[in-house]
Amino acid sequence: EVLLTQSPATLSLSPGERASLSCRASQSVSDSLAWYQQKPGQAPRLLIYDASKRPTGIPARFSGSGSGTAFTLTISRLEPEDFAVYYCQQRDNWPPTFGGGTKVEIK
Amino acid sequence: EVQLVQSGGVVVQPGGSLRLSCDASGFTFDDFAMHWVRQTPEKGLQWVSLISWNGGLTYYADSVKGRFTVSRDNSNNSLFLQMDSLQPGDTALYFCARANYGDYPDSWGQGTLVTVSS
Repeated sequence: EVLLTQSPATLSLSPGERASLSCRASQSVSDSLAWYQQKPGQAPRLLIYDASKRPTGIPARFSGSGSGTAFTLTISRLEPEDFAVYYCQQRDNWPPTFGGGTKVEIK
Repeated sequence: EVQLVQSGGVVVQPGGSLRLSCDASGFTFDDFAMHWVRQTPEKGLQWVSLISWNGGLTYYADSVKGRFTVSRDNSNNSLFLQMDSLQPGDTALYFCARANYGDYPDSWGQGTLVTVSS
């Protein structure tokens, strides 16, 4: 099973700042990686799939990059509604697995 | 608008059984495979099961294989998870989710809290 390690565990930033979140895989997952946002009491929301593609309706301030074992989610300018927990997930190796999450909190 | 509405939470004793349901609307249900994913504070998000569009193929996490059974009723746009031989370690918030863009979970239900306790 592929282990996904997210860092940092917590990121303290102010609105308007840039956020960079890391996800590292224990073995190559090619570009088969997604990012999700989860707010308290809500289900996860798909932000990025195939490492860098945005589903319809996801704002352009969210971008993803990377391949193989190292991936990054970037939020170009944090909006108040972006403070949440973010998870990565791989689907290249069975079973699908999720990272432990990065909490983006208001500084 | 895609909607996935799940059944309510429940408490069940160890060794007991439970059937979760997930009712879909706002999309052509039988065009999509469907996932079950669970979440706990300790273990985070854990994929549980996947069923193909017609129910012909099913997949399970090792931790639930042989105890859980996923099924679907495309005539009623519903997804199910039959959970048998429940253990305290199965206590979690269970989400159904549509598989899209390959098979990533893209739209999620609101979750059903399952508590296994005596």
